[in-house]
Amino acid sequence: AQSVAQPEDQVNVAEGNPLTVKCTYSVSGNPYLFWYVQYPNRGLQFLLKYITGDNLVKGSYGFEAEFNKSQTSFHLKKPSALVSDSALYFCAVRRLATGGSYIPTFGRGTSLIVHP
Amino acid sequence: DVKVTQSSRYLVKRTGEKVFLECVQDMDHENMFWYRQDPGLGLRLIYFSYDVKMKEKGDIPEGYSVSREKKERFSLILESASTNQTSMYLCASSTAGGSYEQYFGPGTRLTVT
Repeated sequence: AQSVAQPEDQVNVAEGNPLTVKCTYSVSGNPYLFWYVQYPNRGLQFLLKYITGDNLVKGSYGFEAEFNKSQTSFHLKKPSALVSDSALYFCAVRRLATGGSYIPTFGRGTSLIVHP
Repeated sequence: DVKVTQSSRYLVKRTGEKVFLECVQDMDHENMFWYRQDPGLGLRLIYFSYDVKMKEKGDIPEGYSVSREKKERFSLILESASTNQTSMYLCASSTAGGSYEQYFGPGTRLTVT
Protein backbone atom coordinates (compact mmCIF):
# COMPACT_ATOMS: atom_id res chain seq x y z
CA ALA A 1 0.00 0.00 0.00
CA GLN A 2 1.15 3.54 -0.70
CA SER A 3 1.91 5.39 2.49
CA VAL A 4 4.08 8.01 4.14
CA ALA A 5 5.52 8.14 7.62
CA GLN A 6 6.54 11.16 9.64
CA PRO A 7 8.70 9.72 12.41
CA GLU A 8 8.70 12.81 14.62
CA ASP A 9 5.60 14.15 16.33
CA GLN A 10 7.42 17.36 17.19
CA VAL A 11 10.56 19.17 16.09
CA ASN A 12 12.09 21.99 18.09
CA VAL A 13 14.58 24.42 16.58
CA ALA A 14 16.00 27.80 17.51
CA GLU A 15 15.27 30.77 15.29
CA GLY A 16 17.99 31.23 12.70
CA ASN A 17 19.04 27.59 12.75
CA PRO A 18 18.38 25.20 9.87
CA LEU A 19 15.34 22.97 10.19
CA THR A 20 14.46 19.53 8.86
CA VAL A 21 11.11 17.80 9.02
CA LYS A 22 11.35 14.15 8.05
CA CYS A 23 9.16 12.07 5.77
CA THR A 24 9.66 8.58 4.41
CA TYR A 25 7.46 6.91 1.84
CA SER A 26 6.44 3.48 0.68
CA VAL A 27 5.10 3.22 -2.86
CA SER A 28 5.23 0.96 -5.83
CA GLY A 29 6.38 2.78 -8.92
CA ASN A 30 7.36 6.42 -9.08
CA PRO A 31 6.23 8.47 -6.09
CA TYR A 32 4.33 11.72 -6.31
CA LEU A 33 5.13 13.52 -3.04
CA PHE A 34 3.77 16.66 -1.42
CA TRP A 35 4.32 18.88 1.61
CA TYR A 36 1.62 21.00 3.22
CA VAL A 37 1.64 23.38 6.16
CA GLN A 38 -1.18 24.14 8.59
CA TYR A 39 -1.04 27.30 10.68
CA PRO A 40 -3.20 27.42 13.83
CA ASN A 41 -6.94 27.41 13.14
CA ARG A 42 -6.41 27.35 9.40
CA GLY A 43 -6.74 24.84 6.58
CA LEU A 44 -3.72 23.25 4.96
CA GLN A 45 -1.63 25.17 2.45
CA PHE A 46 0.45 23.59 -0.29
CA LEU A 47 4.22 24.11 0.04
CA LEU A 48 5.85 22.03 -2.68
CA LYS A 49 5.76 18.77 -4.60
CA TYR A 50 8.01 16.26 -6.29
CA ILE A 51 6.77 14.59 -9.46
CA THR A 52 9.92 14.03 -11.48
CA GLY A 53 13.19 15.75 -12.31
CA ASP A 54 15.59 17.52 -9.96
CA ASN A 55 15.81 15.86 -6.55
CA LEU A 56 15.88 19.24 -4.79
CA VAL A 57 12.50 20.92 -4.97
CA LYS A 58 11.98 24.53 -3.98
CA GLY A 59 8.68 25.76 -2.64
CA SER A 60 6.89 28.55 -0.84
CA TYR A 61 8.18 30.60 2.11
CA GLY A 62 11.82 29.56 1.54
CA PHE A 63 11.19 25.85 2.05
CA GLU A 64 12.77 23.11 -0.01
CA ALA A 65 12.65 19.33 0.04
CA GLU A 66 15.11 16.69 -1.03
CA PHE A 67 13.90 13.55 -2.75
CA ASN A 68 16.14 10.55 -2.01
CA LYS A 69 15.12 7.42 -3.85
CA SER A 70 17.62 5.08 -2.19
CA GLN A 71 16.47 6.12 1.28
CA THR A 72 12.81 6.51 0.22
CA SER A 73 12.75 9.90 1.90
CA PHE A 74 11.41 13.35 1.13
CA HIS A 75 12.58 15.60 3.96
CA LEU A 76 11.47 19.20 4.22
CA LYS A 77 14.20 21.75 4.91
CA LYS A 78 14.81 25.42 5.44
CA PRO A 79 18.24 27.03 5.90
CA SER A 80 17.16 29.53 8.57
CA ALA A 81 14.03 29.02 10.68
CA LEU A 82 11.66 31.81 11.64
CA VAL A 83 9.34 31.89 14.63
CA SER A 84 6.50 32.32 12.12
CA ASP A 85 7.37 28.89 10.65
CA SER A 86 5.90 27.30 13.77
CA ALA A 87 3.04 25.17 12.46
CA LEU A 88 1.91 21.64 11.69
CA TYR A 89 3.53 20.06 8.63
CA PHE A 90 2.09 17.20 6.62
CA CYS A 91 3.75 14.98 4.05
CA ALA A 92 1.54 13.26 1.46
CA VAL A 93 1.92 10.70 -1.33
CA ARG A 94 -0.32 9.93 -4.26
CA ARG A 95 -2.09 6.59 -4.19
CA LEU A 96 -4.51 4.75 -6.43
CA ALA A 97 -8.02 4.52 -4.99
CA THR A 98 -10.27 1.51 -5.47
CA GLY A 99 -12.23 3.12 -8.27
CA GLY A 100 -9.16 4.06 -10.28
CA SER A 101 -8.74 7.70 -9.23
CA TYR A 102 -5.49 9.05 -7.83
CA ILE A 103 -5.82 10.61 -4.40
CA PRO A 104 -3.35 11.71 -1.71
CA THR A 105 -2.69 9.92 1.54
CA PHE A 106 -1.27 11.99 4.39
CA GLY A 107 1.17 11.38 7.19
CA ARG A 108 0.15 12.08 10.77
CA GLY A 109 1.84 15.46 10.81
CA THR A 110 4.84 16.98 12.59
CA SER A 111 4.53 19.97 14.86
CA LEU A 112 7.39 22.40 14.26
CA ILE A 113 8.18 24.78 17.09
CA VAL A 114 10.69 27.53 16.45
CA HIS A 115 11.99 29.18 19.61
CA PRO A 116 13.03 32.86 19.62
CA ASP B 1 -7.03 34.10 -5.77
CA VAL B 2 -8.29 30.55 -5.55
CA LYS B 3 -10.75 29.81 -2.83
CA VAL B 4 -12.42 26.94 -1.02
CA THR B 5 -15.08 27.99 1.44
CA GLN B 6 -16.89 26.01 4.11
CA SER B 7 -20.31 26.94 5.41
CA SER B 8 -19.38 27.21 9.09
CA ARG B 9 -16.19 27.62 11.12
CA TYR B 10 -17.76 26.32 14.32
CA LEU B 11 -20.82 24.14 14.79
CA VAL B 12 -22.43 22.62 17.86
CA LYS B 13 -25.01 19.88 17.40
CA ARG B 14 -26.81 17.40 19.60
CA THR B 15 -26.49 13.63 19.41
CA GLY B 16 -28.88 12.21 16.85
CA GLU B 17 -29.23 15.39 14.79
CA LYS B 18 -28.71 15.37 11.04
CA VAL B 19 -25.79 17.63 10.18
CA PHE B 20 -24.90 19.21 6.84
CA LEU B 21 -21.45 20.59 6.10
CA GLU B 22 -21.09 22.42 2.82
CA CYS B 23 -18.04 23.20 0.75
CA VAL B 24 -17.77 25.42 -2.32
CA GLN B 25 -14.77 25.89 -4.63
CA ASP B 26 -14.36 28.48 -7.35
CA MET B 27 -11.55 26.84 -9.34
CA ASP B 28 -13.58 24.53 -11.57
CA HIS B 29 -11.81 21.54 -10.02
CA GLU B 30 -12.96 18.04 -10.84
CA ASN B 31 -11.97 16.48 -7.53
CA MET B 32 -13.34 17.36 -4.12
CA PHE B 33 -12.58 15.77 -0.78
CA TRP B 34 -13.79 15.61 2.81
CA TYR B 35 -11.34 14.85 5.62
CA ARG B 36 -11.53 14.77 9.35
CA GLN B 37 -8.57 15.84 11.41
CA ASP B 38 -7.97 14.57 14.91
CA PRO B 39 -4.87 15.12 17.07
CA GLY B 40 -2.28 12.41 16.53
CA LEU B 41 -4.23 10.85 13.66
CA GLY B 42 -3.52 13.37 10.93
CA LEU B 43 -5.97 13.73 8.07
CA ARG B 44 -8.26 10.84 7.33
CA LEU B 45 -10.24 10.74 4.11
CA ILE B 46 -13.99 10.30 4.55
CA TYR B 47 -15.24 10.58 0.96
CA PHE B 48 -14.15 12.11 -2.28
CA SER B 49 -15.81 12.98 -5.56
CA TYR B 50 -14.18 12.98 -8.98
CA ASP B 51 -17.15 14.35 -10.90
CA VAL B 52 -20.68 15.60 -10.44
CA LYS B 53 -22.85 12.92 -8.86
CA MET B 54 -19.82 10.62 -8.59
CA LYS B 55 -18.37 9.67 -5.23
CA GLU B 56 -16.04 7.16 -3.72
CA LYS B 57 -15.54 6.03 -0.14
CA GLY B 58 -12.37 7.01 1.62
CA ASP B 59 -10.80 5.38 4.64
CA ILE B 60 -13.48 6.18 7.23
CA PRO B 61 -16.89 6.54 5.50
CA GLU B 62 -19.00 4.94 8.23
CA GLY B 63 -21.60 7.32 9.62
CA TYR B 64 -21.21 9.79 6.76
CA SER B 65 -22.67 10.38 3.32
CA VAL B 66 -21.97 12.98 0.64
CA SER B 67 -23.69 14.79 -2.16
CA ARG B 68 -22.33 16.52 -5.24
CA GLU B 69 -25.09 17.90 -7.43
CA LYS B 70 -23.00 20.72 -8.89
CA LYS B 71 -19.33 20.78 -9.78
CA GLU B 72 -18.46 23.56 -7.35
CA ARG B 73 -20.31 22.20 -4.31
CA PHE B 74 -19.64 19.12 -2.17
CA SER B 75 -21.69 18.40 0.93
CA LEU B 76 -20.91 16.11 3.84
CA ILE B 77 -23.87 14.71 5.75
CA LEU B 78 -23.88 13.15 9.17
CA GLU B 79 -27.12 11.21 9.18
CA SER B 80 -27.31 10.89 12.97
CA ALA B 81 -24.54 12.75 14.72
CA SER B 82 -22.67 11.00 17.52
CA THR B 83 -20.16 12.28 20.04
CA ASN B 84 -17.34 10.38 18.35
CA GLN B 85 -17.87 12.55 15.29
CA THR B 86 -16.70 15.61 17.20
CA SER B 87 -13.75 16.72 15.10
CA MET B 88 -12.29 19.23 12.66
CA TYR B 89 -13.65 18.70 9.15
CA LEU B 90 -11.64 19.89 6.18
CA CYS B 91 -12.78 20.18 2.59
CA ALA B 92 -10.33 20.26 -0.31
CA SER B 93 -10.39 20.38 -4.08
CA SER B 94 -7.91 19.65 -6.86
CA THR B 95 -7.53 19.17 -10.55
CA ALA B 96 -7.92 15.54 -11.60
CA GLY B 97 -4.89 13.32 -12.15
CA GLY B 98 -3.15 12.98 -8.80
CA SER B 99 -0.14 15.14 -9.62
CA TYR B 100 -1.89 18.33 -8.66
CA GLU B 101 -1.90 19.93 -5.24
CA GLN B 102 -5.03 20.26 -3.15
CA TYR B 103 -6.58 23.51 -2.01
CA PHE B 104 -8.14 23.42 1.43
CA GLY B 105 -10.94 25.28 3.09
CA PRO B 106 -10.50 26.79 6.58
CA GLY B 107 -12.20 23.88 8.29
CA THR B 108 -15.32 23.38 10.39
CA ARG B 109 -14.90 22.47 14.02
CA LEU B 110 -17.91 20.33 14.87
CA THR B 111 -18.84 19.54 18.44
CA VAL B 112 -21.53 16.93 19.09
CA THR B 113 -22.95 16.99 22.62
